[in-house]
Amino acid sequence: EVQLLASGGDLVQPGGSLRLSCAASGFIFSSYAMNWVRQAPGKGLEWVSTIGNTGASTYYADSVKGRFTISRDNSKNTVFLQMTSLRDEDTAVYYCAKSITTINWRDYFDYWGQGTLVTVSS
Amino acid sequence: EIVLTQSPATLSLSPGERATLSCRASQSVSSYLAWYQQKSGQAPRLLIYDASNRATGIPARFSGSGSGTDFTLTISSLEPEDFAVYFCQQRTNWPITFGQGTRLEIK
Repeated sequence: EVQLLASGGDLVQPGGSLRLSCAASGFIFSSYAMNWVRQAPGKGLEWVSTIGNTGASTYYADSVKGRFTISRDNSKNTVFLQMTSLRDEDTAVYYCAKSITTINWRDYFDYWGQGTLVTVSS
Repeated sequence: EIVLTQSPATLSLSPGERATLSCRASQSVSSYLAWYQQKSGQAPRLLIYDASNRATGIPARFSGSGSGTDFTLTISSLEPEDFAVYFCQQRTNWPITFGQGTRLEIK
């Protein structure tokens, strides 16, 4: 059974930093791209970032480029999202999600974690 | 950036009725479109990918159609558990984008 367990969400002040983690199990983690998608309170879904299966390729939404860094540790089946220079508008539930294929980095998401809440506020 | 526009914003129907949800892309996405269902407090669930392929475990009452810029998600006969928010998503170009959602509510 595929499981994705996201953690690390917290209350942080504007300008602060936070690191999210997502521990995966139930599939060959090193074969799939992984993703972060966020959802502001009461709003829709926003793709944040994608990392290829080896970690060599990364992609970001313009809204987070230069502030967020995605990475992965295939030996620990974990993907990370390092967030810096946080803004009020980064407040959201952050979901990690698995890509559906082993071929495409730009893909659909067939399994999602439960989400972790990041609140940016003074 | 490809903008996906979903309509209607809210759809009010009764169990047993047929639901038709629309997603229109600002430029062609070929058939690279997916649909997700999200219930309150839960993560999204993939329903349909590549416009018309049902994801694993999705009931046959869910179907998708369309190509290019116009897509439809149809629920043939609504069950009580189908009342939720539905999002479309494209994977043609970076950035990956989602529609703003259609809320399907009980009439």
